[in-house]
Amino acid sequence: GQQVMQIPQYQHVQEGEDFTTYCNSSTTLSNIQWYKQRPGGHPVFLIQLVKSGEVKKQKRLTFQFGEAKKNSSLHITATQTTDVGTYFCAGPIVSNSGYALNFGKGTSLLVTP
Amino acid sequence: EAEVAQSPRYKITEKSQAVAFWCDPISGHATLYWYRQILGQGPELLVQFQDESVVDDSQLPKDRFSAERLKGVDSTLKIQPAELGDSAMYLCASSFTGYGGLGYTFGSGTRLTVV
Repeated sequence: GQQVMQIPQYQHVQEGEDFTTYCNSSTTLSNIQWYKQRPGGHPVFLIQLVKSGEVKKQKRLTFQFGEAKKNSSLHITATQTTDVGTYFCAGPIVSNSGYALNFGKGTSLLVTP
Repeated sequence: EAEVAQSPRYKITEKSQAVAFWCDPISGHATLYWYRQILGQGPELLVQFQDESVVDDSQLPKDRFSAERLKGVDSTLKIQPAELGDSAMYLCASSFTGYGGLGYTFGSGTRLTVV
């Protein structure tokens, strides 16, 4: 079945440094979604990418969908302590019976002041 | 801002006991999902509802887990009997469309500990 893999598993940065997490799918994706989960919290939807090569920005966050629609990345510029959490990518599982998201294992970001 | 309600927030139960979790999705969201998240892992789909119908329960361990959404609104997930390996966060999510195009809204989850 479809697998979504994320690297790195963990990243520890100093505040102000940049951060990037990568997501790779074993199959072509119709779209990809990104979520953030704060420690002790629940996943919160950040963005959806649909088009090949699409790039979207949210303030210091830049999301990219690969040309082949099999990979994606999230880049944070000048990290802040509020960026701490685990970032998940998720690709759709489409079957005859429905559509649901398959999540990667996430990248946990720790930001030291 | 609309939220997905879940209860209880925490549950400690003994092995072989029965437990139940409740979820109330955002009003108007026809699609409801139950996910299980083991510490340090991503959420894994257990069951998906479209209104009151089960769309996908292929990953639900049906020998011990059951889920229902009788009136197509709130939902209950039950485990009987609970096993030590069931200790995890159980997350409920809802989406406006069956294709989740506007993203999923997750509840705060139920943290289950089986002792």
